[in-house]
Amino acid sequence: DQQVKQNSPSLSVQEGRISILNCDYTNSMFDYFLWYKKYPAEGPTFLISISSIKDKNEDGRFTVFLNKSAKHLSLHIVPSQPGDSAVYFCAASGGTDKLIFGTGTRLQVFP
Amino acid sequence: DAGVTQSPTHLIKTRGQQVTLRCSPKSGHDTVSWYQQALGQGPQFIFQYYEEEERQRGNFPDRFSGHQFPNYSSELNVNALLLGDSALYLCASSLGRHHSNQPQHFGDGTRLSIL
Repeated sequence: DQQVKQNSPSLSVQEGRISILNCDYTNSMFDYFLWYKKYPAEGPTFLISISSIKDKNEDGRFTVFLNKSAKHLSLHIVPSQPGDSAVYFCAASGGTDKLIFGTGTRLQVFP
Repeated sequence: DAGVTQSPTHLIKTRGQQVTLRCSPKSGHDTVSWYQQALGQGPQFIFQYYEEEERQRGNFPDRFSGHQFPNYSSELNVNALLLGDSALYLCASSLGRHHSNQPQHFGDGTRLSIL
């Protein structure tokens, strides 16, 4: 039972353009959503989060959008940079601190 | 400001053995969670410790146990190792159960290989 889904295993974007990573969830009890970035041989690094009372949160080049009716969130990276190349995980929690992760999307930013 | 530290970084064991992994949380954090990440998958929640007690547990057998010490550091113990226990084990820390919507911060993990 995959409660958090990232249906695109990989994404390739040109440097300077926008990267859009998507995530869907099934559990309506989730009220806090996070994005993590992971480089090889390192642990996940927290990027940005959003509470279910908001529909948008922005931090520099990173913006997360939440559509509760569609149970969908997305991460926008503008402009994309080669250093953004990594695996991105979407995670969700609801009422407890336990995080449920998606399977990740590998982003490659090329020159 | 030290982040989450885990030891060892790599470990090789054989089936049936027992293993202990260690974690020191980020400075100021008092809650520690453990996750297992298999190849090609997202991290799966094992359990969480707060005030030296297991507060939440994921869908893992009793072979997986843990401990939290008064200084908030934690250990993950796995008994009777199986080949399927080969994975990256991640520790995450966060700021208290009474602070809602706080992100968990991860260490770099321990890569466990079972032969």
